[in-house]
Parts: sequence; structure tokens; C-alpha cells
Amino acid sequence: SQQGEEDPQALSIQEGENATMNCSYKTSINNLQWYRQNSGRGLVHLILIRSNEREKHSGRLRVTLDTSKKSSSLLITASRAADTASYFCATDKGTSYGKLTFGQGTILTVHP
Amino acid sequence: SQTIHQWPATLVQPVGSPLSLECTVEGTSNPNLYWYRQAAGRGLQLLFYSVGIGQISSEVPQNLSASRPQDRQFILSSKKLLLSDSGFYLCAWSVGHAGYTFGSGTRLTVV
Repeated sequence: SQQGEEDPQALSIQEGENATMNCSYKTSINNLQWYRQNSGRGLVHLILIRSNEREKHSGRLRVTLDTSKKSSSLLITASRAADTASYFCATDKGTSYGKLTFGQGTILTVHP
Repeated sequence: SQTIHQWPATLVQPVGSPLSLECTVEGTSNPNLYWYRQAAGRGLQLLFYSVGIGQISSEVPQNLSASRPQDRQFILSSKKLLLSDSGFYLCAWSVGHAGYTFGSGTRLTVV
């Protein structure tokens, strides 16, 4: 089964609003990562948060991690139409080969 | 700089035909390499991973195979394609646990 499950499956907002996406997982992790995918393209790595970290920022992105609840959230502040994409969380259990398990993703649509 | 090349971008193949998708990485040595398949723009399913030349691990039983003839080359193959092999195939590499770099993907349609 999928390790990461995103919520909501789809999110539609207006430009300038904040977008929050959530991810839940089932087993212990080494780190959790968020990726973005524009339609028909490869995934782009956004941010990585380690299991001993609780919050991380990168530009307009803010990621939180709650290992006790096995959940993470991705907040995009002041969204832009260009943020329209699918967003995936992925968990790394810390295996030697760095395997990531991806969730089903959240489709974000930002209306201008 | 580190780059990853994946080709072709799109491919339409008849049922029963062979398949060869290639992925090459530049700017890094001894990367972990991965093949993922994505159905209908949703979650990614890991097909194969490789930690070194000639070392291939399969995650799911299927009609596909993978090979790593060189350190920075990863090939996905099939002898006879099935309709169910259609999908979006993504190659990726990583070093350590710093995150993946993905190729641009190949959209395969089996007809």
C-alpha cells in the first residue's frame, strides 16, 4: 500500500490565497519530501524535512512534520497561477538504496 | 552540473513489440537509479532500482526488465509489450538521502 497519502486530492483556490496540503504515512521514516509535477512533466524536488525536524521553510513554502501523528503538511503562501501543479509527498525509510514511496498527490489549481 | 536525460518523450508501440527506454545521468558518480511508472497523473509506483552497475532490484512482478550496463545508464526493457504497460515512465537518481532528481518522463502508449 502507499506509504504517503495526501489530502485533499484536489484543491482549487484564488491567486493570493494560501494552499495547504496534508500527507499521512504509516511507518517510521528517515525523512519526508515534497515534490511538484507540472502536467506531463517529471517531478521536481521542493523540500526535504528530516524525522528530527518539525518545521522547515523555503521561500513561500512551509513544511511541518509531526512524527507522533505520522503526518506532514505543505503550505504555499500567497499562491500564484504558476503554482498550479500536482504535489506529492514521499517518504524515505532510510534504506541504503534511498527508496522513496510516493503518495497519490494533490492537484492544486490556482485561479488568476 | 548534474543532469538526467530520458528519452524518448513519447512512444506509441503495438502490442507484442519490444521496448527500450534509456536514461543517462551526468555530473555524479555511483548514483542510485530508479524507474517509476505513473498512471493517470497519480501516484508513482517503483518498478526497479539499482545501487550499482549490474545490480537491479525489482519491486513488482511484471512484463518489464531493467539493466544498468554503465554507472550512469539505466535501461527499461520489454520483450513483448502488453496494453497494461501503457503509462508515464520516469527515471530518477539520488545520492544518499538528499532527494531525487527526475527525468522528464516518457509517455508510452501501447496500441
